[in-house]
Amino acid sequence: DAGITQSPRHKVTETGTPVTLRCHQTENHRYMYWYRQDPGHGLRLIHYSYGVKDTDKGEVSDGYSVSRSKTEDFLLTLESATSSQTSVYFCAISVPGQDDYGYTFGSGTRLTVV
Amino acid sequence: ILNVEQSPQSLHVQEGDSTNFTCSFPSSNFYALHWYRWETAKSPEALFVMTLNGDEKKKGRISATLNTKEGYSYLYIKGSQPEDSATYLCAFSPGTNAGKSTFGDGTTLTVKP
Repeated sequence: DAGITQSPRHKVTETGTPVTLRCHQTENHRYMYWYRQDPGHGLRLIHYSYGVKDTDKGEVSDGYSVSRSKTEDFLLTLESATSSQTSVYFCAISVPGQDDYGYTFGSGTRLTVV
Repeated sequence: ILNVEQSPQSLHVQEGDSTNFTCSFPSSNFYALHWYRWETAKSPEALFVMTLNGDEKKKGRISATLNTKEGYSYLYIKGSQPEDSATYLCAFSPGTNAGKSTFGDGTTLTVKP
């Protein structure tokens, strides 16, 4: 068990407000990811990180930023939330050399922007 | 952006039917192909990881094959049961950045009792 915790589990926020989602893991894994899930689109990568202060953009990074100041925490920030960012957000980890980088996912955060 | 496609988008079968679906992915720069099972209101869970051309993996009634030369993988479910109802995702890991998987949109399977 990778011990991945996402918080909050659910959030409703207003358009234009900043929002931060947290992913916390207890196993000191280096590789962490943020995906969003939308109907008809499967999972799309927002940002990922291969270690402390080592982050990079995924395919849908516009409007999002991330920070990784500690190995165990990967934060996703919506700088100014828009309705198009209403989605379910999943954090994941992978371990080099284990299951060939297969992912273990957190339980997800359901975000609604009104 | 890498192109990973799954077909069909959805599938409805009767209990006891066998079924299969397809994942197509780039035939170059291949590292691994992952299959995940995703039940409603839960998180995706790993089913298989496949790395070698011609590989075949099996877990109970579910099996998968891999053809890296032509860029496709099949997932088979033999004798479908209602508890097999889920969305099945495939994810392609490229050789140049194996940790960064690109997912297909999934095939949603519904098995009617």
